[in-house]
Parts: sequence; C-alpha cells; structure tokens
Amino acid sequence: GAGVSQSPSNKVTEKGKDVELRCDPISGHTALYWYRQSLGQGLEFLIYFQGNSAPDKSGLPSDRFSAERTGGSVSTLTIQRTQQEDSAVYLCASSREDRVEEPQHFGDGTRLSIL
Amino acid sequence: GNSVTQMEGPVTLSEEAFLTINCTYTATGYPSLFWYVQYPGEGLQLLLKATKADDKGSNKGFEATYRKETTSFHLEKGSVQVSDSAVYFCALSSNQGGKLIFGQGTELSVKP
Repeated sequence: GAGVSQSPSNKVTEKGKDVELRCDPISGHTALYWYRQSLGQGLEFLIYFQGNSAPDKSGLPSDRFSAERTGGSVSTLTIQRTQQEDSAVYLCASSREDRVEEPQHFGDGTRLSIL
Repeated sequence: GNSVTQMEGPVTLSEEAFLTINCTYTATGYPSLFWYVQYPGEGLQLLLKATKADDKGSNKGFEATYRKETTSFHLEKGSVQVSDSAVYFCALSSNQGGKLIFGQGTELSVKP
C-alpha cells in the first residue's frame, strides 16, 4: 500500500496489561510521528523520529510510554501497565523529512480501549 | 509556547452556504500552517497548507491565507456541499522538527 499502515485497528485490553501498537510509514519517508486523539485532550503530539537522530520524546505523558523505530522504518509504540486514561486513538504519521513545511501523512489509527 | 485556537463547533450549514472556520495561532519563529480534515470513519487528511506569510493555500474549493499580522489562518469555502461534512483541524508546524500542534477541531455538518 502507498499510505501509512497501522495495526491493530482496534485493541481492547484490561487495565494493567501492556500493549504494542505498530506503524509502517510510507516508503522513503524519514520522519515518523506518533499522536494521540482523545475526547478530552484533542490531538496531542507524543514522539517523533527523524533518520538516525535521537527521538524527540517531549510529548510522552509518562514513563509508561515508549517507542522505537527499527531500521529507520517500522515503529512500535508500547504502553506498559495501561490505565483507563490511556484509552484513545493513537495516530501515526510520516513525512519525507522533518522540515517545518513538509505535510504529514496519517494512518487510520489504532483505537485503544482500556477496560 | 506554541498554540492553535479554533472556533468551537459544531457548525451547521445548508448546502451552498458560505463557510468560515476561524483559526488563530501563537508561535515563535516562522511556522507553517495546515488544515487537516477528518471525514466520518476515516483518518486525517491534509486539506491545504501555507508555509510563509501572505501565502494562500487552496484545495477542493477551500482556501486559507496565512496572515502574520493577525496570526490567523481562517478556512473558507464559497459554497459547501453535504460531502464537506467532517471535522476540520487547524495546525501549525513549529521549528522543532516539524511536529504538529493542533487546534481542538471544528465539526461541520452540511444539510441538504
């Protein structure tokens, strides 16, 4: 596919469990971003990766959240010991590079529900 | 810090009406400005962008002009259609790696 691919599309889990969310960016895009969309907080930046540089983790809400990007392509967002307030849609986006004027292309998101 | 403020929704219009969705921003440096749209059941899509002052972005009949003097990027369309019903997000891209800061979104509902 030509677009950003995220999996799973839906995830339901119990409070306290760990979850992994996957993002496959557009081929050739060097910048990859994670955002969270929730009713109370709107769209929030979480973390971004650019090439081999250290990721910008400034938006991660707690140390239960982490992300990695292997081989400059696929990224995984991990939430440990999930809490109910983690329920949200997690969006991944990629762009050709991390320049201010570059538009980001979004995946359809993973809807995470914590019981 | 950087921020984006949009007019609150929902906005309900009749088909062929004129649309304005207000967006103002606060930013340091020279941000780029974007409008993204989220149609029901779909992901976020770029609608238009402007990268410097006085630039006008346009797409699908929508327009927005980057006004540095008023720090605004209002979205307009002369004649809306039912198919324009969606949530519209104004966003800026800071000089910090291109990460986007979004407004809270404005839901538009167009009635036949």
